[in-house]
Amino acid sequence: SQTIHQWPATLVQPVGSPLSLECTVEGTSNPNLYWYRQAAGRGLQLLFYSVGIGQISSEVPQNLSASRPQDRQFILSSKKLLLSDSGFYLCAWSLGQSGNTIYFGEGSWLTVV
Amino acid sequence: AQSVTQPDIHITVSEGASLELRCNYSYGATPYLFWYVQSPGQGLQLLLKYFSGDTLVQGIKGFEAEFKRSQSSFNLRKPSVHWSDAAEYFCAVGGGNFNKFYFGSGTKLNVKP
Repeated sequence: SQTIHQWPATLVQPVGSPLSLECTVEGTSNPNLYWYRQAAGRGLQLLFYSVGIGQISSEVPQNLSASRPQDRQFILSSKKLLLSDSGFYLCAWSLGQSGNTIYFGEGSWLTVV
Repeated sequence: AQSVTQPDIHITVSEGASLELRCNYSYGATPYLFWYVQSPGQGLQLLLKYFSGDTLVQGIKGFEAEFKRSQSSFNLRKPSVHWSDAAEYFCAVGGGNFNKFYFGSGTKLNVKP
């Protein structure tokens, strides 16, 4: 069966510091991968999605970037964090063909201080 | 543009009472519709999904949802709520050879004893 792992679970970072959140999926090949952010009371905002290695689409302009160095690895990064980057970040995956479901990791809490 | 609206931010029901959470969507193609549940600090768990066929779909934990195309709605229901159902619920839409999933802002459910 497929599983998704996301780490670290909790992170406290000072303003201006870099960020790296990692996500890996096991048990499937060539998944679509996603990064969502959940700010308090604002639901889920799609940040990035990827349909293959090196293929990244950004949904909103922001201080973050994403990379997919391997088929089942998705990384969310920032060179310099802002206070507004605080939130709950969720990695997710789905299969590419029509009619599939999106599945989520356990999330990473980021607090920028 | 694709969007999902959950008009109720918070709902409180008594244990044993019935529940209906509302969801309206806007989507330019045949929608694939989902309901997820999120406990505090955790990822999202799939409750149920609608792709085609019978417009009343059954999910886990005794939940069901009805797709009404004419109303662009996909409301979630449960005949008798348990205290353990207290959580946040998200409606989502995707479709076709989709790579993106769009989520509503969520409804927080409180259950009174």
